[in-house]
Amino acid sequence: QKEVEQNSGPLSVPEGAIASLNCTYSDRGSQSFFWYRQYSGKSPELIMSIYSNGDKEDGRFTAQLNKASQYVSLLIRDSQPSDSATYLCAALSYSGAGSYQLTFGKGTKLSVIP
Amino acid sequence: GAVVSQHPSWVICKSGTSVKIECRSLDFQATTMFWYRQFPKQSLMLMATSNEGSKATYEQGVEKDKFLINHASLTLSTLTVTSAHPEDSSFYICSARDQLDQPQHFGDGTRLSIL
Repeated sequence: QKEVEQNSGPLSVPEGAIASLNCTYSDRGSQSFFWYRQYSGKSPELIMSIYSNGDKEDGRFTAQLNKASQYVSLLIRDSQPSDSATYLCAALSYSGAGSYQLTFGKGTKLSVIP
Repeated sequence: GAVVSQHPSWVICKSGTSVKIECRSLDFQATTMFWYRQFPKQSLMLMATSNEGSKATYEQGVEKDKFLINHASLTLSTLTVTSAHPEDSSFYICSARDQLDQPQHFGDGTRLSIL
């Protein structure tokens, strides 16, 4: 069974610091990876996609992928209180018969302390 | 782009009522839509996957006669919670994707409260 593992947290960082969120996945065949942000009581919002090994930067966010280690991370620079949310890691893999399956981790709760 | 609209956002109704939730992809064609349920402080739980023009595929433990899914067009899927009871109270979220290997985009969710 395909699994995506995340530390549930909470992860607390002071405002202005770098928040580091980590994720591992079990299916070596997973091809694409996504980070979603979910505020309390709201639905998830896609914030980053990464498809190849290395780093991908978008504003204050950097996603890192290491397929050999089956490891994905999200760095948030200059963390702001508004970044406080649950961050979901998701891995997309082929599930046969022309279907792709997106497997979500349970999420890491981030708290940015003013 | 990739906007998913979900309606209604909040429903409160009596036990035994059937409730229909709509999910629309506004600026893309969604060949596949997904329905999730999320209880407070818990993770997303996939209920079913629906492909346009075919029957939905339900996850283990999800009653297909209780949660009716219709995906009649490339932009609309509906979830009907039949004869809802208090234990069905939850946050229901749909998502959609336009291509097989692309990420899912979520609707704003529907908070269902059964009295």
